[in-house]
Amino acid sequence: DGGITQSPKYLFRKEGQNVTLSCEQNLNHDAMYWYRQDPGQGLRLIYYSQIVNDFQKGDIAEGYSVSREKKESFPLTVTSAQKNPTAFYLCASSIASTSGELFFGEGSRLTVL
Amino acid sequence: RKEVEQDPGPFNVPEGATVAFNCTYSNSASQSFFWYRQDCRKEPKLLMSVYSSGNEDGRFTAQLNRASQYISLLIRDSKLSDSATYLCVVKDNAGNMLTFGGGTRLMVKP
Repeated sequence: DGGITQSPKYLFRKEGQNVTLSCEQNLNHDAMYWYRQDPGQGLRLIYYSQIVNDFQKGDIAEGYSVSREKKESFPLTVTSAQKNPTAFYLCASSIASTSGELFFGEGSRLTVL
Repeated sequence: RKEVEQDPGPFNVPEGATVAFNCTYSNSASQSFFWYRQDCRKEPKLLMSVYSSGNEDGRFTAQLNRASQYISLLIRDSKLSDSATYLCVVKDNAGNMLTFGGGTRLMVKP
């Protein structure tokens, strides 16, 4: 079955530790995205990638880093510089950046203690 | 002012009721509009695109009002399974980026 897989689903970390969230897709989509969702708020774009080996900052990129070395993979690192890292992180892909239809993974819920 | 605004709700309605949500957007250059559905603690999924002429998909009808810069979603004959958060999404063709509203929570009760 084609889809997007995020891991881990739940993650607890101590303050000051870097964390990497995995996102893999087998939909052959060019564009991939990372969003953050906080309670009562809409999704906010962290980073996006329109094609392999290229990525751009979204609205709230500070304290995060990404890589896009393979078309299928777009991992997100939450660094210790991110002031409020506890959130629900959603990875998505679309066939192209011009498409309005995003396919989301099931999300990773990060709690920093 | 937020770029995409929605009433967070919750809207509590009985089964069988008709319910409507509005969403306003601030960027007049916005070109494409969508409704996504998000179940509790799950990922969002595309419900329907919103076309200029309005469109219907079963019990769901979406409308666009460019002059007043809002889109609406009407759900007829509500089912218990319609309980979810409905996210309004707007795309600016210049940047190709999607902007999400905060969502409107719907609870359909027996």
